[in-house]
Amino acid sequence: RKEVEQDPGPFNVPEGATVAFNCTYSNSASQSFFWYRQDCRKEPKLLMSVYSSGNEDGRFTAQLNRASQYISLLIRDSKLSDSATYLCVANFFSGGYNKLIFGAGTRLAVHP
Amino acid sequence: SQTIHQWPATLVQPVGSPLSLECTVEGTSNPNLYWYRQAAGRGLQLLFYSVGIGQISSEVPQNLSASRPQDRQFILSSKKLLLSDSGFYLCAWSGTGGQPQHFGDGTRLSIL
Repeated sequence: RKEVEQDPGPFNVPEGATVAFNCTYSNSASQSFFWYRQDCRKEPKLLMSVYSSGNEDGRFTAQLNRASQYISLLIRDSKLSDSATYLCVANFFSGGYNKLIFGAGTRLAVHP
Repeated sequence: SQTIHQWPATLVQPVGSPLSLECTVEGTSNPNLYWYRQAAGRGLQLLFYSVGIGQISSEVPQNLSASRPQDRQFILSSKKLLLSDSGFYLCAWSGTGGQPQHFGDGTRLSIL
């Protein structure tokens, strides 16, 4: 089983749609979680952290369910510029070393 | 603010040739540093990480090595490149304590 699993997609949605991505992680000792965005042929960029209480940043909402080891990202009112691959990430901190375990990503294509 | 520089942006090398990719970080001290590789259409694979000068840990056995001669400099090397070394190489830094990682622009390496 992969340490972080995501549906690869692609998710093809029209502008203005709401889309949700899910992710599961296998290591119950994971301590913090992130969503990164990666545009084609570019480096990943931090989109937002994910907190147990859920957090929102504009049109983006992230949620964490530690009991189910499940992370989600909700994008409301999709824009063309949201088209990218979204990487779910679980952090595992041990021995002074901050290890990020990346999912393979979920591809989103927003069309007019 | 912190910045991370990685070069070159693209590189075409023949099989059997040596490799040196350099990464430097500005605006922070004693960062954790990382080298990742991303094959086309695949997820990120952690290659090396470093928590301090001269301290290198390898995640997977391979044809590559890493060095950290200065606090904010991280170098990825190979004595003899293989075709399978092709990919998108990314350097990243983080603070300690479970903070997210931030990536350089990446080097796209093609082996002929």
